[in-house]
Amino acid sequence: DTEVTQTPKHLVMGMTNKKSLKCEQHMGHRAMYWYKQKAKKPPELMFVYSYEKLSINESVPSRFSPECPNSSLLNLHLHALQPEDSALYLCASSQGYFGEQYFGPGTRLTVT
Amino acid sequence: AQSVTQPDIHITVSEGASLELRCNYSYGATPYLFWYVQSPGQGLQLLLKYFSGDTLVQGIKGFEAEFKRSQSSFNLRKPSVHWSDAAEYFCAVVPYNTDKLIFGTGTRLQVFP
Repeated sequence: DTEVTQTPKHLVMGMTNKKSLKCEQHMGHRAMYWYKQKAKKPPELMFVYSYEKLSINESVPSRFSPECPNSSLLNLHLHALQPEDSALYLCASSQGYFGEQYFGPGTRLTVT
Repeated sequence: AQSVTQPDIHITVSEGASLELRCNYSYGATPYLFWYVQSPGQGLQLLLKYFSGDTLVQGIKGFEAEFKRSQSSFNLRKPSVHWSDAAEYFCAVVPYNTDKLIFGTGTRLQVFP
């Protein structure tokens, strides 16, 4: 099974709200990722967790706060977002360095 | 500069026709190479990957790709396209000794009946 699940599928939030995106995988993968994808663009890497520790932060604004509670779960906490943060947020996982990444279906976020 | 290039932004083919999507990379050491497909509003699905060995790799949905070191290319092919293949296709690399997946700009495939 190569499934990565993400909830919610859609999220609409105001600029003063606090919300969270959730991602789960049960493949025993040691690395998990958050990507942001704008329309008609490739995904852009935001964060990488390796063995539950943050290993890469691609200079993402602090209004995005990642969390990895355990090896199967990855959260992205959102606070005080801007309309330009509206995008498809994708989660992925992989077995190890250089390994293929498996993506979830994404959360479509709209900031009003 | 290190990059992944997909020269074709948009390709249109007739159903049943053959397909080739181009991908070139610019890295010192041969990276790990991937092709992903994305249907509108969906996540990305891995089609195939190349790490080493046989330069012609088979993937899912009848796709194959050929790694050519001399041309720094990893082109995706399919002998007969189906209407359901209409989607966005991304070539991606993981450069040597990194944990980052770097995507090309994508090629949008449109299939006419």
